[in-house]
Amino acid sequence: DTAVSQTPKYLVTQMGNDKSIKCEQNLGHDTMYWYKQDSKKFLKIMFSYNNKELIINETVPNRFSPKSPDKAHLNLHINSLELGDSAVYFCASSQDYGGNSPLHFGNGTRLTVT
Amino acid sequence: DAKTTQPPSMDCAEGRAANLPCNHSTISGNEYVYWYRQIHSQGPQYIIHGLKNNETNEMASLIITEDRKSSTLILPHATLRDTAVYYCIVRRANAGNMLTFGGGTRLMVKP
Repeated sequence: DTAVSQTPKYLVTQMGNDKSIKCEQNLGHDTMYWYKQDSKKFLKIMFSYNNKELIINETVPNRFSPKSPDKAHLNLHINSLELGDSAVYFCASSQDYGGNSPLHFGNGTRLTVT
Repeated sequence: DAKTTQPPSMDCAEGRAANLPCNHSTISGNEYVYWYRQIHSQGPQYIIHGLKNNETNEMASLIITEDRKSSTLILPHATLRDTAVYYCIVRRANAGNMLTFGGGTRLMVKP
Protein backbone atom coordinates (compact mmCIF):
# COMPACT_ATOMS: atom_id res chain seq x y z
CA ASP A 1 0.00 0.00 0.00
CA THR A 2 1.24 3.44 -0.91
CA ALA A 3 1.89 5.47 2.26
CA VAL A 4 1.70 8.96 0.75
CA SER A 5 -0.08 9.21 -2.57
CA GLN A 6 -0.47 12.21 -4.84
CA THR A 7 -2.69 12.75 -7.84
CA PRO A 8 -2.20 13.48 -10.60
CA LYS A 9 1.36 12.38 -11.32
CA TYR A 10 1.60 14.74 -14.29
CA LEU A 11 -0.30 17.96 -14.89
CA VAL A 12 0.04 20.09 -18.00
CA THR A 13 -1.97 23.27 -18.19
CA GLN A 14 -1.98 26.78 -19.61
CA MET A 15 -1.15 30.04 -17.92
CA GLY A 16 -4.04 31.57 -16.07
CA ASN A 17 -5.79 28.29 -15.30
CA ASP A 18 -6.67 27.03 -11.82
CA LYS A 19 -5.62 23.52 -10.83
CA SER A 20 -5.55 21.27 -7.78
CA ILE A 21 -3.21 18.54 -6.60
CA LYS A 22 -4.47 16.00 -4.10
CA CYS A 23 -2.51 14.24 -1.38
CA GLU A 24 -3.50 11.45 0.97
CA GLN A 25 -1.53 9.59 3.61
CA ASN A 26 -2.58 6.30 5.23
CA LEU A 27 0.07 6.34 7.95
CA GLY A 28 -2.07 7.93 10.63
CA HIS A 29 0.31 10.89 10.81
CA ASP A 30 -0.67 14.22 12.35
CA THR A 31 1.41 16.51 10.15
CA MET A 32 1.49 17.03 6.40
CA TYR A 33 3.59 19.22 4.13
CA TRP A 34 3.92 20.54 0.62
CA TYR A 35 7.38 20.95 -0.92
CA LYS A 36 8.34 22.40 -4.30
CA GLN A 37 11.32 21.16 -6.33
CA ASP A 38 12.35 23.55 -9.05
CA SER A 39 14.37 22.95 -12.21
CA LYS A 40 17.62 23.23 -10.26
CA LYS A 41 16.43 20.37 -8.05
CA PHE A 42 16.33 22.35 -4.81
CA LEU A 43 13.52 21.24 -2.49
CA LYS A 44 11.77 24.03 -0.61
CA ILE A 45 9.07 23.82 2.03
CA MET A 46 5.85 25.57 1.11
CA PHE A 47 3.33 24.67 3.80
CA SER A 48 3.04 22.60 6.92
CA TYR A 49 -0.24 21.49 8.50
CA ASN A 50 -0.64 19.87 11.88
CA ASN A 51 -4.00 18.31 12.76
CA LYS A 52 -5.62 20.26 9.93
CA GLU A 53 -4.20 23.57 11.18
CA LEU A 54 -1.76 25.66 9.13
CA ILE A 55 1.60 25.84 10.90
CA ILE A 56 3.99 27.15 8.28
CA ASN A 57 3.54 29.25 5.17
CA GLU A 58 6.94 29.91 3.69
CA THR A 59 6.38 33.11 1.74
CA VAL A 60 4.28 31.37 -0.85
CA PRO A 61 2.11 33.59 -3.11
CA ASN A 62 -1.51 33.63 -2.03
CA ARG A 63 -2.40 32.06 -5.37
CA PHE A 64 -1.46 28.84 -3.60
CA SER A 65 -4.09 27.72 -1.10
CA PRO A 66 -3.72 24.45 0.80
CA LYS A 67 -6.81 22.74 2.14
CA SER A 68 -6.87 20.02 4.75
CA PRO A 69 -10.34 18.47 5.06
CA ASP A 70 -8.99 15.93 7.58
CA LYS A 71 -5.68 14.77 8.98
CA ALA A 72 -5.15 12.29 6.17
CA HIS A 73 -5.53 14.77 3.32
CA LEU A 74 -3.76 17.94 2.27
CA ASN A 75 -4.71 19.29 -1.11
CA LEU A 76 -3.02 22.14 -2.95
CA HIS A 77 -5.05 24.51 -5.08
CA ILE A 78 -3.28 26.94 -7.37
CA ASN A 79 -5.05 29.91 -8.95
CA SER A 80 -3.98 31.85 -12.03
CA LEU A 81 -1.08 29.59 -12.87
CA GLU A 82 2.15 31.21 -14.06
CA LEU A 83 5.09 29.83 -16.04
CA GLY A 84 7.26 29.99 -12.92
CA ASP A 85 4.93 27.56 -11.14
CA SER A 86 6.29 24.76 -13.32
CA ALA A 87 8.00 22.36 -10.93
CA VAL A 88 7.59 19.05 -9.16
CA TYR A 89 5.41 19.32 -6.07
CA PHE A 90 5.89 16.80 -3.27
CA CYS A 91 3.51 16.04 -0.47
CA ALA A 92 4.92 14.59 2.77
CA SER A 93 3.76 13.56 6.21
CA SER A 94 5.29 12.91 9.62
CA GLN A 95 4.08 11.40 12.86
CA ASP A 96 4.11 14.75 14.62
CA TYR A 97 5.31 18.30 14.22
CA GLY A 98 7.58 18.99 17.15
CA GLY A 99 9.39 15.68 17.45
CA ASN A 100 12.08 14.03 15.40
CA SER A 101 9.97 11.66 13.36
CA PRO A 102 11.12 11.38 9.75
CA LEU A 103 9.17 12.68 6.79
CA HIS A 104 7.51 10.31 4.33
CA PHE A 105 7.22 11.74 0.83
CA GLY A 106 4.92 11.02 -2.05
CA ASN A 107 6.33 10.53 -5.53
CA GLY A 108 5.53 14.00 -6.70
CA THR A 109 3.32 15.80 -9.18
CA ARG A 110 5.12 17.27 -12.18
CA LEU A 111 3.34 20.49 -13.08
CA THR A 112 4.06 22.07 -16.45
CA VAL A 113 2.57 25.46 -17.23
CA THR A 114 2.63 26.48 -20.89
CA ASP B 1 19.34 25.39 11.37
CA ALA B 2 23.03 24.82 10.64
CA LYS B 3 24.23 24.82 7.04
CA THR B 4 25.67 21.65 5.54
CA THR B 5 28.31 21.14 2.87
CA GLN B 6 28.46 18.03 0.69
CA PRO B 7 30.49 17.13 -2.39
CA PRO B 8 28.31 17.53 -5.48
CA SER B 9 29.03 14.06 -6.82
CA MET B 10 30.71 10.76 -6.03
CA ASP B 11 31.21 7.40 -7.72
CA CYS B 12 31.22 4.01 -6.06
CA ALA B 13 31.77 0.51 -7.40
CA GLU B 14 28.91 -1.92 -7.00
CA GLY B 15 29.36 -4.11 -3.93
CA ARG B 16 31.76 -1.72 -2.27
CA ALA B 17 31.01 0.57 0.64
CA ALA B 18 29.87 4.08 -0.24
CA ASN B 19 31.04 6.72 2.22
CA LEU B 20 29.27 10.03 1.83
CA PRO B 21 30.71 12.94 3.84
CA CYS B 22 28.89 15.94 5.22
CA ASN B 23 30.32 18.99 6.90
CA HIS B 24 28.19 20.85 9.45
CA SER B 25 30.78 22.85 11.36
CA THR B 26 28.24 25.31 12.79
CA ILE B 27 26.00 22.64 14.28
CA SER B 28 24.50 23.36 17.70
CA GLY B 29 24.21 20.98 20.60
CA ASN B 30 20.51 20.32 20.08
CA GLU B 31 20.63 19.84 16.31
CA TYR B 32 20.17 16.45 14.72
CA VAL B 33 21.79 15.21 11.53
CA TYR B 34 19.36 13.65 9.04
CA TRP B 35 20.05 11.83 5.80
CA TYR B 36 17.58 11.46 2.97
CA ARG B 37 18.01 10.31 -0.59
CA GLN B 38 16.12 10.93 -3.80
CA ILE B 39 16.15 8.34 -6.51
CA HIS B 40 15.37 9.70 -9.95
CA SER B 41 11.69 10.61 -10.43
CA GLN B 42 10.77 9.63 -6.87
CA GLY B 43 10.13 11.50 -3.66
CA PRO B 44 12.87 11.83 -1.04
CA GLN B 45 13.32 8.79 1.17
CA TYR B 46 14.37 8.92 4.82
CA ILE B 47 17.55 6.95 5.57
CA ILE B 48 18.78 7.64 9.09
CA HIS B 49 19.32 10.36 11.69
CA GLY B 50 21.40 10.91 14.82
CA LEU B 51 22.44 13.41 17.46
CA LYS B 52 25.78 12.35 18.94
CA ASN B 53 26.16 8.61 18.78
CA ASN B 54 26.74 6.55 15.71
CA GLU B 55 23.58 4.97 14.37
CA THR B 56 22.89 1.93 12.23
CA ASN B 57 19.76 0.59 10.61
CA GLU B 58 18.93 -1.78 7.81
CA MET B 59 19.79 0.79 5.17
CA ALA B 60 22.95 2.49 6.38
CA SER B 61 25.25 3.60 9.17
CA LEU B 62 25.77 7.15 10.35
CA ILE B 63 29.11 8.09 11.83
CA ILE B 64 29.23 11.44 13.64
CA THR B 65 32.59 12.86 14.70
CA GLU B 66 33.18 13.54 18.36
CA ASP B 67 33.03 17.31 17.85
CA ARG B 68 29.88 16.80 15.75
CA LYS B 69 31.18 19.08 13.01
CA SER B 70 31.00 16.42 10.35
CA SER B 71 29.39 13.09 9.65
CA THR B 72 29.60 10.21 7.17
CA LEU B 73 26.80 8.13 5.78
CA ILE B 74 27.93 4.61 4.97
CA LEU B 75 26.12 2.30 2.59
CA PRO B 76 27.97 -0.94 3.36
CA HIS B 77 27.42 -2.76 0.08
CA ALA B 78 26.27 -0.33 -2.57
CA THR B 79 24.03 -1.62 -5.35
CA LEU B 80 22.97 -0.02 -8.61
CA ARG B 81 19.66 0.85 -6.97
CA ASP B 82 21.50 3.07 -4.50
CA THR B 83 22.27 5.54 -7.30
CA ALA B 84 20.55 8.70 -6.08
CA VAL B 85 21.06 12.19 -4.68
CA TYR B 86 21.86 12.02 -0.97
CA TYR B 87 20.94 14.95 1.27
CA CYS B 88 22.50 15.71 4.63
CA ILE B 89 20.26 17.98 6.71
CA VAL B 90 20.73 19.49 10.14
CA ARG B 91 17.65 20.37 12.14
CA ARG B 92 16.98 21.56 15.67
CA ALA B 93 15.16 19.20 17.98
CA ASN B 94 11.52 20.06 18.60
CA ALA B 95 11.59 22.83 16.02
CA GLY B 96 9.11 21.26 13.71
CA ASN B 97 9.79 18.67 11.06
CA MET B 98 10.26 21.19 8.34
CA LEU B 99 13.43 20.28 6.49
CA THR B 100 15.66 22.49 4.36
CA PHE B 101 17.24 20.54 1.51
CA GLY B 102 20.54 21.71 0.00
CA GLY B 103 22.19 20.49 -3.17
CA GLY B 104 23.11 17.04 -1.90
CA THR B 105 25.62 14.54 -3.30
CA ARG B 106 24.82 12.70 -6.50
CA LEU B 107 26.05 9.14 -5.92
CA MET B 108 26.61 7.04 -8.99
CA VAL B 109 27.05 3.33 -8.31
CA LYS B 110 28.83 1.68 -11.21
CA PRO B 111 28.96 -2.01 -12.13
